Amino acid sequence: GAVVSQHPSWVICKSGTSVKIECRSLDFQATTMFWYRQFPKKSLMLMATSNEGSKATYEQGVEKDKFLINHASLTLSTLTVTSAHPEDSSFYICSARRGKLLHGYTFGSGTRLTVV
Amino acid sequence: SQQGEEDPQALSIQEGENATMNCSYKTSINNLQWYRQNSGRGLVHLILIRSNEREKHSGRLRVTLDTSKKSSSLLITASRAADTASYFCATDASGFGNEKLTFGTGTRLTIIP
Repeated sequence: GAVVSQHPSWVICKSGTSVKIECRSLDFQATTMFWYRQFPKKSLMLMATSNEGSKATYEQGVEKDKFLINHASLTLSTLTVTSAHPEDSSFYICSARRGKLLHGYTFGSGTRLTVV
Repeated sequence: SQQGEEDPQALSIQEGENATMNCSYKTSINNLQWYRQNSGRGLVHLILIRSNEREKHSGRLRVTLDTSKKSSSLLITASRAADTASYFCATDASGFGNEKLTFGTGTRLTIIP
């Protein structure tokens, strides 16, 4: 159990376009979802936390107008990178949390975004 | 930044040897978790140790936690080529005003066949 599906696994887009990444919890309801960004050979940096039905909480330095997060249901959160630039190229990973369980974090398989 | 530090940053050992990775963190925590990440892939949860625990085992994995020193270690015994990956510790400070996982800098482990 506790599977999180992230789609797409990789995407290439042109500068100036927008890209949407989906994160779905397949067999549980995710009260909270997290979006991380990871640069090559680096650690995961939390971008934002989203709770179903409310606005996302962004970490300091993350542009909320550029990285739009929607958590419309208990099983789906989306991250939209708007007006993408080459510097937005990165590996994006979502995580879903099941309630308040101490061990309730499950990660998606990640999305490799390349902006050309 | 609240990110923890891991050492070593990179580790190469012969297959069959034991690998030890260390993690230090900065805040009070509820639990500490270790994850593995194969290149370009998502994270796989390995083991969780609660703040009131000092040691935990799971198969070839042994985790220790010293809350007084704010540090943890992950030992992988009898390493295999398939253990080659990056390993991250992550702290859960839920209840201490930090309802999220904070990741360490990671250790890149290479097992030489």
